[in-house]
Order: sequence, then structure tokens, then C-alpha cells
Amino acid sequence: DGGITQSPKYLFRKEGQNVTLSCEQNLNHDAMYWYRQDPGQGLRLIYYSQIVNDFQKGDIAEGYSVSREKKESFPLTVTSAQKNPTAFYLCASSPSAVTGGYTFGSGTRLTVV
Amino acid sequence: QQPVQSPQAVILREGEDAVINCSSSKALYSVHWYRQKHGEAPVFLMILLKGGEQKGHEKISASFNEKKQQSSLYLTASQLSYSGTYFCGSRNSGNTPLVFGKGTRLSVIA
Repeated sequence: DGGITQSPKYLFRKEGQNVTLSCEQNLNHDAMYWYRQDPGQGLRLIYYSQIVNDFQKGDIAEGYSVSREKKESFPLTVTSAQKNPTAFYLCASSPSAVTGGYTFGSGTRLTVV
Repeated sequence: QQPVQSPQAVILREGEDAVINCSSSKALYSVHWYRQKHGEAPVFLMILLKGGEQKGHEKISASFNEKKQQSSLYLTASQLSYSGTYFCGSRNSGNTPLVFGKGTRLSVIA
């Protein structure tokens, strides 16, 4: 079955360390997205990519970085510059940047201690 | 700009109806609706692309009023399984990513 896989499901890191969240899809979707979810805030866009080797900043990109070297993969790195990284991170994909609903992964809950 | 959802939360008894609204201060190109159960990923419900369009999904339907820059989600004869947080996501143009509202928490009780 096609879908999006995010790993790990739970991640604990010490303050000041960089951490990379994995997102892989086998839906052959062109567009991929990273959202951050905090209680009562909805989903806020971090980065998105409409095509391989290209990506754009979202509303809260500071302290994060991404790469899109393969169509299937869109990893997110949370750097030490991110002031408040503890959150639930959701990766999503859509057939294109213009059409189709989003398919979400099951999320990664990152806790920085 | 983030669309505004109302109400923030609603409690229903099984069989009751509910309406969730999503409005934007900018012109809307399309509106998506998603449902998220606690600790899980949001699940796509439907897209509305045209002004005045209505769509249905089981006993859940939605309308999109392009002129009023708003969409409404209608849940009829609610079931326990409808409980969760409902998000609307809006696009202001064709190739921009979705901007989501803060969500409406729906609780259906027996």
C-alpha cells in the first residue's frame, strides 16, 4: 500500500543538538511539505517542495533546514538555532502543488530536554 | 494568512448536527477539510474548488462561498466516530501550499 512513512515516532534530544526527521513517500507525489503542530495553533508550514532539488520556506522556517534530492524523500533537520523545537512534526505530500488532497504521515513527536 | 475557524470546540450527542465554519480575509482559490483524531495524522475529507460548490462525504458535506470567502462543513446525524479535530486549509492561489486554521474540536457523546 502507498503512503508516507515518518520516523522515528518519538525523538528525544538534548538542547543544542541538531536532529533529522525522516519522511519517505511511495505515492509518486511531486509535492511534499513539513508542518509543525503545537496545541491550539493548528498546523504551521515550515518548508515545502514542489519538485526535486527545489524547496521554499514556509511561515516558520527559521531554525530548520530541508533537502529534496529524491522524489520520495524530504528530510527535515531541526537545528540548534530553533528556539523552541519541542513539537509534533507532520510530513505531507500531494500529487502536485496545484491539485489533490494532502496525505499525511503519522508524525514525529520531538522533545528537547 | 491563517483562516479563522469557528467554533473552537463543540460537544454533540449522537444523532445531532453540527456546522463548522472557515473564513478568510483573502480571496480563496480552494478549501480543504481534514479530520484528526488524537495522536494521529490528519485525514483528508474533501476539497472544494469552485465558488458555490458543495460536496459530500458520507453524512459529512461542505459548501464553499467564494464571494463571502468562507466554507462550511456540515455534519449530520453525528456518530461517535466523528469525534476529532477538524481543520480547514485554504489556498489563495493555485500553486501555493495550504494554510490551516487552528482547528475545531468536535466531541460526540452517547
